[in-house]
Amino acid sequence: NAGVTQTPKFQVLKTGQSMTLQCAQDMNHNSMYWYRQDPGMGLRLIYYSASEGTTDKGEVPNGYNVSRLNKREFSLRLESAAPSQTSVYFCASSLQGNTIYFGEGSWLTVV
Amino acid sequence: GQQVMQIPQYQHVQEGEDFTTYCNSSTTLSNIQWYKQRPGGHPVFLIQLVKSGEVKKQKRLTFQFGEAKKNSSLHITATQTTDVGTYFCAGRTDKLIFGTGTRLQVFP
Repeated sequence: NAGVTQTPKFQVLKTGQSMTLQCAQDMNHNSMYWYRQDPGMGLRLIYYSASEGTTDKGEVPNGYNVSRLNKREFSLRLESAAPSQTSVYFCASSLQGNTIYFGEGSWLTVV
Repeated sequence: GQQVMQIPQYQHVQEGEDFTTYCNSSTTLSNIQWYKQRPGGHPVFLIQLVKSGEVKKQKRLTFQFGEAKKNSSLHITATQTTDVGTYFCAGRTDKLIFGTGTRLQVFP
């Protein structure tokens, strides 16, 4: 049982480049999330999807887009990367309102 | 908007000492969850508290939810080096908002 799988684990981008972080869960969860983690800032919600076919903005959505491709997959896209988007990104999933299960994280550096 | 604050930000203790982290919300919560993140790892769920005044224990860890459902605490008795990591609370209203975390360092 893989849980939440996200790729890539590490990525270095140049300012202005685009990329997509992929995430998949095999726990049949309805809800999926993308968080970013910065030192001293805790975990901040970027976007979430309460169910297949819906997406909503979280606390820090600017500069990002998401796609809930199906029940299993939820991708995060940076259209034009900026140094301020250097962070650790976590994908997560849950049954509605319950425990959140996190992926192992994606370390992104924008130079 | 909803805010969840945690104190302290950092705590260094000698192995065997106790440790407490506090979580305060600006709004009344329907429940609160606690997570632990080891260095270089991802957050892992520890426990959820739902009822006003609820106290739950997991071995050396004691979790409390305040009477007003706006604050919570995590207390670790006799810390061990395996307790090292960052502890996050996460308070739920219509959304789940994570606190800023408390990083615990334990010296042997």
